[in-house]
Amino acid sequence: RKEVEQDPGPFNVPEGATVAFNCTYSNSASQSFFWYRQDCRKEPKLLMSVYSSGNEDGRFTAQLNRASQYISLLIRDSKLSDSATYLCVVNIPGGYNKLIFGAGTRLAVHP
Amino acid sequence: EAGVTQFPSHSVIEKGQTVTLRCDPISGHDNLYWYRRVMGKEIKFLLHFVKESKQDESGMPNNRFLAERTGGTYSTLKVQPAELEDSGVYFCASSQSWGDEKLFFGSGTQLSVL
Repeated sequence: RKEVEQDPGPFNVPEGATVAFNCTYSNSASQSFFWYRQDCRKEPKLLMSVYSSGNEDGRFTAQLNRASQYISLLIRDSKLSDSATYLCVVNIPGGYNKLIFGAGTRLAVHP
Repeated sequence: EAGVTQFPSHSVIEKGQTVTLRCDPISGHDNLYWYRRVMGKEIKFLLHFVKESKQDESGMPNNRFLAERTGGTYSTLKVQPAELEDSGVYFCASSQSWGDEKLFFGSGTQLSVL
């Protein structure tokens, strides 16, 4: 079983749609959680950290469910510029920024 | 402010040759990381420097890989001799200080071993 699992997609959605990505992680002792965005042939960039209470940044909302070891990312009012691969990332316990990456979920937003 | 820079952006070498990748972290960032993505796989951790010291090198695949960060500034990752399975994208990342979880990634070096 992979340490971080994501649906690879692709998710093809029209502009303005709401789309949700899910991710599960296997290590129940994990402490820190993130969503990164990676454009084609580019480096990963931190989109947002994920906190137990849930957090929102503009059109993006991240949720964490520790009991189910489940992380989600919701994108509202999708833009063409949101097209990218979204990586679910977990910081393993005892490892300082020893990040465990999911394989990513591809999002394609079309006009 | 300059970001994390990596050189070269692409490298094509033959099996058995040696390749050295370079990373310049953001100025003032004590923490430097190497990650890599091989074809069809997830990005995986290789190692972590704090200044010039190796903090964690548990992700280094084998002794053909050698990372250095002399003087605590830029870092090099040497692969000698390169094998076909070493092909992939090698990313470098940096963060400012202990406890800082925000990593800034470089654009990576695409390594192709033929």
